[in-house]
Amino acid sequence: DQQVKQNSPSLSVQEGRISILNCDYTNSMFDYFLWYKKYPAEGPTFLISISSIKDKNEDGRFTVFLNKSAKHLSLHIVPSQPGDSAVYFCAASAGYAGNNRKLIWGLGTSLAVNP
Amino acid sequence: DSGVTQTPKHLITATGQRVTLRCSPRSGDLSVYWYQQSLDQGLQFLIQYYNGEERAKGNILERFSAQQFPDLHSELNLSSLELGDSALYFCASSKGLQNEQYFGPGTRLTVT
Repeated sequence: DQQVKQNSPSLSVQEGRISILNCDYTNSMFDYFLWYKKYPAEGPTFLISISSIKDKNEDGRFTVFLNKSAKHLSLHIVPSQPGDSAVYFCAASAGYAGNNRKLIWGLGTSLAVNP
Repeated sequence: DSGVTQTPKHLITATGQRVTLRCSPRSGDLSVYWYQQSLDQGLQFLIQYYNGEERAKGNILERFSAQQFPDLHSELNLSSLELGDSALYFCASSKGLQNEQYFGPGTRLTVT
């Protein structure tokens, strides 16, 4: 049962345009969401996160939007640059007893930004 | 550079063998996580340790085991290896039982 779903395995955008990566989740207990970026042969790198008490978080060119009622979040990259070409993972967590959080990961979306 | 180190970078071994993957967390991080990424698969959480104690288990096979030592480095032991165990194995660390995990470069295991 895939609790975190990234339904688009790949996305291609033109340099300078907006990239929108989507993520859906099924577990209403998730209260913290993260995006990671991964280049080939490297480990994932933390990009941006959002708590469920917010609906938007912005960091430079990266903005994450959360729609709790739709159980949907999206990552916007504006403007997109060729160096943004990577696999983007969405991850979610819920607070359990003892404050131990386990990240549940999506399968990733491969973004290609074309010059 | 995340500050998380993993050795070896590549490992080629035969079916039925046993290997040990090593991870050193970032300075000050108490939590260590192990993940497996197979071809065309997302990141599968295997196991988490916090300050030497196992805290969470994911889809870890019984043939696999891990431990975290007093100096906080961790080892993942994979035994009776099968062809399907070929994958990238990532270690991540975080300060506490938090969300932001910092990943190492991974160990690519090839079982022939």
